[in-house]
Parts: sequence; C-alpha cells; structure tokens
Amino acid sequence: SAVISQKPSRDICQRGTSLTIQCQVDSQVTMMFWYRQQPGQSLTLIATANQGSEATYESGFVIDKFPISRPNLTFSTLTVSNMSPEDSSIYLCSVRVGLHSYEQYFGPGTRLTVT
Amino acid sequence: AQSVTQLDSQVPVFEEAPVELRCNYSSSVSVYLFWYVQYPNQGLQLLLKYLSGSTLVKGINGFEAEFNKSQTSFHLRKPSVHISDTAEYFCAVSEAGITSGSRLTFGEGTQLTVNP
Repeated sequence: SAVISQKPSRDICQRGTSLTIQCQVDSQVTMMFWYRQQPGQSLTLIATANQGSEATYESGFVIDKFPISRPNLTFSTLTVSNMSPEDSSIYLCSVRVGLHSYEQYFGPGTRLTVT
Repeated sequence: AQSVTQLDSQVPVFEEAPVELRCNYSSSVSVYLFWYVQYPNQGLQLLLKYLSGSTLVKGINGFEAEFNKSQTSFHLRKPSVHISDTAEYFCAVSEAGITSGSRLTFGEGTQLTVNP
C-alpha cells in the first residue's frame, strides 16, 4: 500500500479564484489520479497525472480548468481554476503503486467550498 | 466502457445482523472488481478486491464478496455488523490488464447504517 497526504485538507474560496491541491506519497508509485466527489455523489475521475508530461483528462474535464502537474514519482498537484460554486466538492488523489498492483489507494481528500 | 450499479442507496440494519450490499457491473471485457469504504469526512479505504482465481474474496473488517460472472455481480457481505461499520460503501470496476486496468468506475454508493 501507500501513505498519501493531501494539502490543504479543506478550504473555503471565493468565486473567480484558483486553488492548488497537493498530493504527496511516501513511496514512488507508477500512476497517480485525481478524482472529484460532488456532495452526496460518487467519485468521478478527472485525469491521470503523468510524470513529466501532460495529464490525460477524462471527458468533460479540460486542462485550462484543472491544470495538473506531476514533477516526480511521489508528488502531484491539481489546480482548480476560476472557481464557481459548482466546483464545491471533495477532490481526492489516488495512486497505483506498481504495474502488477491493480488497486488504487486514496488520499484523505480536500474539501473545497466555493462561495 | 464499464458501468456499475449499486442496487441500494441506503441499507439500515441492526447491530449483529448480517448484511449484503449489492453491486452489478456491465463490461464487454474482463474486469477487476473492488469494494471501498468511506467513513465520514475521510478518504476511501480498500476493503477487498477480485482480480482472478477464487470467486470468494475476503477483505478487512470481516467483509467478503463473491464474484459471479454469469450474473455480473460482486455483492459484499458481512455475517454480523457493528456500529463502527456505519459508512458509505462503493463498488468499483476497472478493465483487466496491465496498461488498461487503471481507470476506476465507481457505483453511486450505498450508505450502510448500523443501529443499536
């Protein structure tokens, strides 16, 4: 498994601003992902964070709104840009630790409220 | 593409009673299956997984699940629940394979509430 931390754990932001969420893993992992969990709903994959290259976004998510960086095998950031109240969600980082380890481990999440 | 249906949005049970949380999936290819638990204000914790082999898989906290390929189901069970099992439970599926087995598709979740 892996120990995953996220910063901040929660934040309240004004519309039109941006927030960068950090995800740190205690060991090198093959893959990192970002999910969104809207209030009372399930998880939706935003993108796969690729080391040293552009993230792979899922349908409905774009780089201009959710820029992602992954400079190394243990760290990634997700920015929520030009926020609106509809962006109020929990944002979760997850990792897959190895090529033959198919499960994903999740961070504690970042609870974002946009006013 | 895969999809997951959790048949019950809420399951209330009494302490020490058995429980089954139902999950059905749809996929045109082989899949891996997972159950996660989310306690209030926390991230997701992996309960158990099915990759291959025995269709009955055991997980943490006394939970088990059975993979039924013909019925495309992966129901979660526990013979005797505790108050501390109160949480949201998510069933998830991914396409089998080294490079493709990454994207997790989640069900809508089942809120298990254990009452004294």
